[in-house]
Amino acid sequence: GDSVTQMEGPVTLSEEAFLTINCTYTATGYPSLFWYVQYPGEGLQLLLKATKADDKGSNKGFEATYRKETTSFHLEKGSVQVSDSAVYFCALSSFSSGSARQLTFGSGTQLTVLP
Amino acid sequence: ETGVTQTPRHLVMGMTNKKSLKCEQHLGHNAMYWYKQSAKKPLELMFVYNFKEQTENNSVPSRFSPECPNSSHLFLHLHTLQPEDSALYLCASSRRGTSGVPDTQYFGPGTRLTVL
Repeated sequence: GDSVTQMEGPVTLSEEAFLTINCTYTATGYPSLFWYVQYPGEGLQLLLKATKADDKGSNKGFEATYRKETTSFHLEKGSVQVSDSAVYFCALSSFSSGSARQLTFGSGTQLTVLP
Repeated sequence: ETGVTQTPRHLVMGMTNKKSLKCEQHLGHNAMYWYKQSAKKPLELMFVYNFKEQTENNSVPSRFSPECPNSSHLFLHLHTLQPEDSALYLCASSRRGTSGVPDTQYFGPGTRLTVL
């Protein structure tokens, strides 16, 4: 079945440092790929997405490129801020019965950014 | 973000209690989902409803009983739960998928459930 493997945390960085969170996946067919972010006490929010190979998703300074050859979707940001402290989830989508897509999530990576 | 709301936000219940979690979406979506988020474990999909019909039940124990009376509301009825059921329960909604279109799921804030 589908699976997502995510870099284990926690990750602690200083403000303005470069961030990479690794994500690799296993899936049949051509899934769409997502990064979600969960701030303390809140639900998950979509951060960015990519629907086909070589697509780059970007939002709020974060980027990730859909690499089919390496089955990866690594999250990057050039200069993190304290407000980026959160848990980040990599996910892929696949069709379930009835054509509502399911999401398969990675285990999440806790990021803490220190001032 | 008020597109998907969940009530209550926090719930403490004994193992013999019966309670219900409520989810409401204001996004015009027609698919709704229940997830369980436990500490140090990946999110677990519990149930999927598509146009009010349950299309997925991922081996969830019968002490969890979902209900979807219309495409905007989703309930999770709880009875005789166990302490290991303590977790954050997240609701999400999306449009029904069509070929080639990624159906982004939008999440509510969750209900933090503690079973004593």
